[in-house]
Amino acid sequence: GENVEQHPSTLSVQEGDSAVIKCTYSDSASNYFPWYKQELGKGPQLIIDIRSNVGEKKDQRIAVTLNKTAKHFSLHITETQPEDSAVYFCAASIKNNDMRFGAGTRLTVKP
Amino acid sequence: NAGVTQTPKFRVLKTGQSMTLLCAQDMNHEYMYWYRQDPGMGLRLIHYSVGEGTTAKGEVPDGYNVSRLKKQNFLLGLESAAPSQTSVYFCASSYSRPGQGVGELFFGEGSRLTVL
Repeated sequence: GENVEQHPSTLSVQEGDSAVIKCTYSDSASNYFPWYKQELGKGPQLIIDIRSNVGEKKDQRIAVTLNKTAKHFSLHITETQPEDSAVYFCAASIKNNDMRFGAGTRLTVKP
Repeated sequence: NAGVTQTPKFRVLKTGQSMTLLCAQDMNHEYMYWYRQDPGMGLRLIHYSVGEGTTAKGEVPDGYNVSRLKKQNFLLGLESAAPSQTSVYFCASSYSRPGQGVGELFFGEGSRLTVL
């Protein structure tokens, strides 16, 4: 079946450092790759997304890169701040209106 | 702005009991979804709807039923709850299908269900 694998499961960085989260997917038809941030007690919220016709997208301190040949995509957060601490989920679109989510990465930014 | 609202936020059931989770969205979205979130497993799609009066199965539909009688509401039912259904349930809505147009999912704040 279609799978999305996400690594690492936990990540701890010092404030100001960069954080990188990586995902791989198996469905070659996937064409939409969003990243969601989930704060404690809240629902996930979209922070950035990328489509298959683009290799990289940036939004201030956040960037996402996509390698369709290798079927992997990554989230990069620069100059991390304590408010970046949350659980991050990657996802990939598949057929039938569905998206497969990764298992999540708990990011902790230490002040 | 309310967005997506789920009720109840917490519920404890005994095995075999039934219950319904209610989701309401005020963004006039056609697409609505029910996900469950379990530790280490991300979000898994239970059922979804592409418009009023329609429902379809997702990745993990067994033991659940849904109804979309009104465009703004999407109900998730458990007819005979089991301990394996202990989870956090999230409702979401979107303007268009993932991968097409504006595929962003808008999530509610979740409903924590415990089945004893």
